[in-house]
Amino acid sequence: EPEVTQTPSHQVTQMGQEVILRCVPISNHLYFYWYRQILGQKVEFLVSFYNNEISEKSEIFDDQFSVERPDGSNFTLKIRSTKLEDSAMYFCASMETTGGGGTGELFFGEGSRLTVL
Amino acid sequence: SQKIEQNSEALNIQEGKTATLTCNYTNYSPAYLQWYRQDPGRGPVFLLLIRENEKEKRKERLKVTFDTTLKQSLFHITASQPADSATYLCALPGGFKTIFGAGTRLFVKA
Repeated sequence: EPEVTQTPSHQVTQMGQEVILRCVPISNHLYFYWYRQILGQKVEFLVSFYNNEISEKSEIFDDQFSVERPDGSNFTLKIRSTKLEDSAMYFCASMETTGGGGTGELFFGEGSRLTVL
Repeated sequence: SQKIEQNSEALNIQEGKTATLTCNYTNYSPAYLQWYRQDPGRGPVFLLLIRENEKEKRKERLKVTFDTTLKQSLFHITASQPADSATYLCALPGGFKTIFGAGTRLFVKA
């Protein structure tokens, strides 16, 4: 069964360092997302991406964050200068099509746990 | 702003009973509503979608209702099993994103 894969599963970094989290969405999906979940809290939307550009971003997704789809298969989230409060689980998700005709089902990866020291 | 509220208290039930979880939303008129399951340390997994013109949807032991007047969805698991223990998330579409509630933690005791 096709799945969304994420690497690394866990990354520990020092405050101020740059981090890149990688995702390979399901191959025929058109919509891509990053969410984050701070331990014990809700799954929060960061950014959506369609047709090689950002569709929507949340207030969390400030200038320190960027996304890229460099080669047609990978989808990356970069945090330029990590802060302690960036420590969270980051989930990548993809969707085949929006909910109008289909289920709007998001397929999530297993997450990348980021720990900022 | 749009808000989704789920029972933040954990729900503890005995195996075999029906679990009922509630999702309320405000400042929203969604075309559909989704329910996901999340196990500890894992990504959410889609369970069901119900559209605004559907009152009820069933899938195996799961049943979802959607009342657009009350702005509420109820999620039922019948004949619950210990394997149903997880956090259940209500989710709503909004623009180019899906917004999740905080989830309700369900514990099914054998």
